[in-house]
Amino acid sequence: IQLTQSPSSLSASVGDRVTITCRASQGISSYLAWYQQKPGKAPKLLIYAASTLQSGVPSRFSGSGSGTDFTLTISSLQPEDFATYYCQQLNSYPRTFGQGTKLEIK
Amino acid sequence: EVQLVESGGGLVQPGGSLRLSCAASGFTFSSYEMNWVRQAPGKGLEWVSYISSSGSTIYYADSVKGRFTISRDNAKNSLYLQMNSLRAEDTAVYYCARDNRGYCSGGSCYRYFDYWGQGTLVTVSS
Repeated sequence: IQLTQSPSSLSASVGDRVTITCRASQGISSYLAWYQQKPGKAPKLLIYAASTLQSGVPSRFSGSGSGTDFTLTISSLQPEDFATYYCQQLNSYPRTFGQGTKLEIK
Repeated sequence: EVQLVESGGGLVQPGGSLRLSCAASGFTFSSYEMNWVRQAPGKGLEWVSYISSSGSTIYYADSVKGRFTISRDNAKNSLYLQMNSLRAEDTAVYYCARDNRGYCSGGSCYRYFDYWGQGTLVTVSS
């Protein structure tokens, strides 16, 4: 199953609302997770089951979607949110990740 | 506190071998499935392999099938990745990640990688 994220990169300002899209090549129900990765660090789980917020993750992060189309939304960007974001499907093997969306400061 | 600590990375020549380890602590290791995920320099994440809690079920990415072997020792709280016939394209940071299927809703159980190690760098070069 291929995952295609868009955009590949995004420039935004603190306080902006940002949406990242992940499209699966076939239906994966809600078996999708989102991760945040900062340079030199391991990925961090943000959302699983497409829309369930991982414990400790700020509520400005939200996820939605089912089937083939999913979104990650950050309601009001904070300085610490500038990072690369990946979606991952956990519907079948091989597990696959999207190519990543790099969120940069405008 | 859950901790995953990888070790064993380094510089190896093409065709060589390396064994990575992942030491787990802070949770009941034998109850969790585990994965290896890698990231080539400047690139995205690539899932490499999965092993069930007992070690009886294993999956590999096509890119490593036949060359890499995942295993675990639940008595030692450790996960391993034996890498043989290494190629330049295997150069990457290798992460171990805990596989959690702790969330169930509407008759379905959802999985996610909730804890990751800090990674260990493998460089394949002559």
